[in-house]
Amino acid sequence: EVQLVQSGAEVKKPGESLKISCKGSGYSFTSYWIGWVRQMPGKGLEWMGIIYPGDSDTKYSPSFQGQVTMSADKSISTAYLQWSSLKASDTAMYYCARRDSAWQNWGQGTLVTVSS
Amino acid sequence: QSALTQPASVSGSPGQSITISCAGTSSDIGGYNYVSWYQQHPGKAPKLMIYDVSNRPSGVSNRFSGSKSGNTASLTISGLQAEDEADYYCSSYRSSSPNYVFGTGTKVTVL
Repeated sequence: EVQLVQSGAEVKKPGESLKISCKGSGYSFTSYWIGWVRQMPGKGLEWMGIIYPGDSDTKYSPSFQGQVTMSADKSISTAYLQWSSLKASDTAMYYCARRDSAWQNWGQGTLVTVSS
Repeated sequence: QSALTQPASVSGSPGQSITISCAGTSSDIGGYNYVSWYQQHPGKAPKLMIYDVSNRPSGVSNRFSGSKSGNTASLTISGLQAEDEADYYCSSYRSSSPNYVFGTGTKVTVL
């Protein structure tokens, strides 16, 4: 069974750094694109970017380029999304998803709250 | 990078059919047959309902169907049921990075 398991909820202060994770299992982690999606409170879904764990090829949405960094560790089948300096406006639910025929499998989401 | 355009809300009575539209451009919906639809219940992760315009993943009810005409895709839910009440998002491949875009989302209400 394909599964994506994300790290737990985080509460951070503005200016702090953060790295959240998405661990894949039940499939060849290096052979499928992983995407990251932001959902701000009460709002819609937004593609942040995608990464191919096989060679770490990464494509960012212009809105998120330079604001976040996506990476992957093939040895532990885990993708990451990180911020170097969080803002209050980064408060949102973040989902990872795996692309097969489409974005077939989704993680359970990681809630990030940024508040002073 | 603009989102695809969906109606904010659609409603119907149990047993009726409803259709949700998703308007894009020739750079996304009109240029590729990679339109997908996702259902999201409150507090839950999105669930894939339709892929490649009109294909249903295993386990998705055949009451859900998809189509495309020009730059607009559509999701039809027939025999509407209470459990269909949720938010629905279309998504398409797009020629510009990061190569995927979502629609604005549609709240479906079962009256």
